[in-house]
Amino acid sequence: GAGVSQTPSNKVTEKGKYVELRCDPISGHTALYWYRQSLGQGPEFLIYFQGTGAADDSGLPNDRFFAVRPEGSVSTLKIQRTERGDSAVYLCASRLTGNTEAFFGQGTRLTVV
Amino acid sequence: DAKTTQPTSMDCAEGRAANLPCNHSTISGNEYVYWYRQIHSQGPQYIIHGLKNNETNEMASLIITEDRKSSTLILPHATLRDTAVYYCIVRVLNSNSGYALNFGKGTSLLVTP
Repeated sequence: GAGVSQTPSNKVTEKGKYVELRCDPISGHTALYWYRQSLGQGPEFLIYFQGTGAADDSGLPNDRFFAVRPEGSVSTLKIQRTERGDSAVYLCASRLTGNTEAFFGQGTRLTVV
Repeated sequence: DAKTTQPTSMDCAEGRAANLPCNHSTISGNEYVYWYRQIHSQGPQYIIHGLKNNETNEMASLIITEDRKSSTLILPHATLRDTAVYYCIVRVLNSNSGYALNFGKGTSLLVTP
């Protein structure tokens, strides 16, 4: 596809469970970002990948959150021992190195019950 | 990054110009002003960015004051599809965090028939 694809679009999980959220960036985009958006708030930065490596993970709230991008394209955000406070829309964005415009996916709405 | 201040909400009649203000009085000389918008249930969308000169593209115009402490995003002929939350962001173009965006809460623009 032409845009950033995120799957699933919606995820409901029970408190304490493990979840994985997937992001397929635009082909050729080396920079990839994860953001989290709570209701009524703007997106908050979580982590940035340049290629395969996490260049900045300063936005991850705690060690229950982890993200990987093993081949420099698809990325997975992993959340362990989910809590109700993790409920939010998780957004992924990608950017072509040297280009200033970031393209966002539609997000994954995570609900922890 | 410099903090921005935007009105919480604004209304605009369809077909009229929408002028969205942003205050960024602590902006540094190497920080750019970016605007993104987020239509309901979608990911943010890039609109425009600038450093100190006014900028125009097919979506909007960006007017930056001479002292760079404030700016205005102008949608020249607002349509109902422009109803969205508009985010004003200041950011260093090339930084170690790879252009991660600090969104804030934005301005909720309602375009009315």
